[in-house]
Amino acid sequence: DTAVSQTPKYLVTQMGNDKSIKCEQNLGHDTMYWYKQDSKKFLKIMFSYNNKELIINETVPNRFSPKSPDKAHLNLHINSLELGDSAVYFCASRNIDRNTEAFFGQGTRLTVV
Amino acid sequence: QQPVQSPQAVILREGEDAVINCSSSKALYSVHWYRQKHGEAPVFLMILLKGGEQKGHDKISASFNEKKQQSSLYLTASQLSYSGTYFCGTESPSNTGKLIFGQGTTLQVKP
Repeated sequence: DTAVSQTPKYLVTQMGNDKSIKCEQNLGHDTMYWYKQDSKKFLKIMFSYNNKELIINETVPNRFSPKSPDKAHLNLHINSLELGDSAVYFCASRNIDRNTEAFFGQGTRLTVV
Repeated sequence: QQPVQSPQAVILREGEDAVINCSSSKALYSVHWYRQKHGEAPVFLMILLKGGEQKGHDKISASFNEKKQQSSLYLTASQLSYSGTYFCGTESPSNTGKLIFGQGTTLQVKP
């Protein structure tokens, strides 16, 4: 059983398109994250939801919009894709109330052409 | 503000030791350590919650100096499987839940 699963694993799309990445966790965690990892491997935090409420909203273009329909799901929608959006996007989850570690999904490699 | 890791890269022979440091300009509540292999997701190694705490996991251990706002990861008698990029992640007391990562340290272990 995959603990944190992301779909799709690879996404190639043209500039200007709109795309979504989905994430689901079956660990019962209260908090989910989106991180962006660029070519230099820097893991940059983008958003976090705790029990479906947005708690972290970093300086990210408003073309990026997260949505959490329930505690087990956190999706990322990106409008008007740009070349600079090309990166690997990781979803992660953890229980912040219990100070536990983060579990990461396998990542979605987004390539904008 | 993200923590700063040093060194940026390390090359070792099997059996050698390495230390990776993580420093923050802000007070720390917790420090996490993760390892990421090429093309894979980061994998949890350990979490340190108290000042001066040390933890061990096989031949990998870590310390956390709360006063200095620093943590160090110690890899002893390195194995080929230790190769990868190591990230420290930190949370501040005023914003627990916001887990931010350092820029990573690439470790290569050669036979």
